[in-house]
Amino acid sequence: DSGVTQTPKHLITATGQRVTLRCSPRSGDLSVYWYQQSLDQGLQFLIQYYNGEERAKGNILERFSAQQFPDLHSELNLSSLELGDSALYFCASSSRTGNYGYTFGSGTRLTVV
Amino acid sequence: AQKITQTQPGMFVQEKEAVTLDCTYDTSDPSYGLFWYKQPSSGEMIFLIYQGSYDQQNATEGRYSLNFQKARKSANLVISASQLGDSAMYFCAMRALTQGGSEKLVFGKGTKLTVNP
Repeated sequence: DSGVTQTPKHLITATGQRVTLRCSPRSGDLSVYWYQQSLDQGLQFLIQYYNGEERAKGNILERFSAQQFPDLHSELNLSSLELGDSALYFCASSSRTGNYGYTFGSGTRLTVV
Repeated sequence: AQKITQTQPGMFVQEKEAVTLDCTYDTSDPSYGLFWYKQPSSGEMIFLIYQGSYDQQNATEGRYSLNFQKARKSANLVISASQLGDSAMYFCAMRALTQGGSEKLVFGKGTKLTVNP
């Protein structure tokens, strides 16, 4: 167990629908990062939150949004889903101590049908 | 632009042999960090080893070592005494600055390692 918890592990939904992916960072970590892993694009950075505030945006579509709550858990909302959104979505947290390690959750595998 | 290049889509190694997975990087930042992650077929991303750009010595973690050649901008992963459980995808990543002064990881496309008995 890495200490980063992602739910659900698997999600199957239809095109046009909206889903929410949840992430609880490792205890004490203030930063949460979201990544998308797909066969054609590889691992892409989506967005980062630090202590409740958005700090950086990557290749995140306008149909996607995220937030980090006061208890530091984060949610990634994906709406108007398309077939191409099928991917493995990772959350990672960072403490910015030691080796600046980024600890990843086990991911949410999203399948859009 | 910040970029990681892994030129080996797939590698094969015999059990108990050593293997080197290549990684080159491109950045104009004077301070950066390099990571290697392992992704088994189950999908999770497992942190293996880290090298800071100012670290004088190559990083080692058990059977993993990082061959850091700053002038050549390479950060190759060496796995000694390969085990069947080492079969997985391996990703090289770099900690890169974002426009807002924060940080993100930039990943290479990965190398699929197969350890043969």
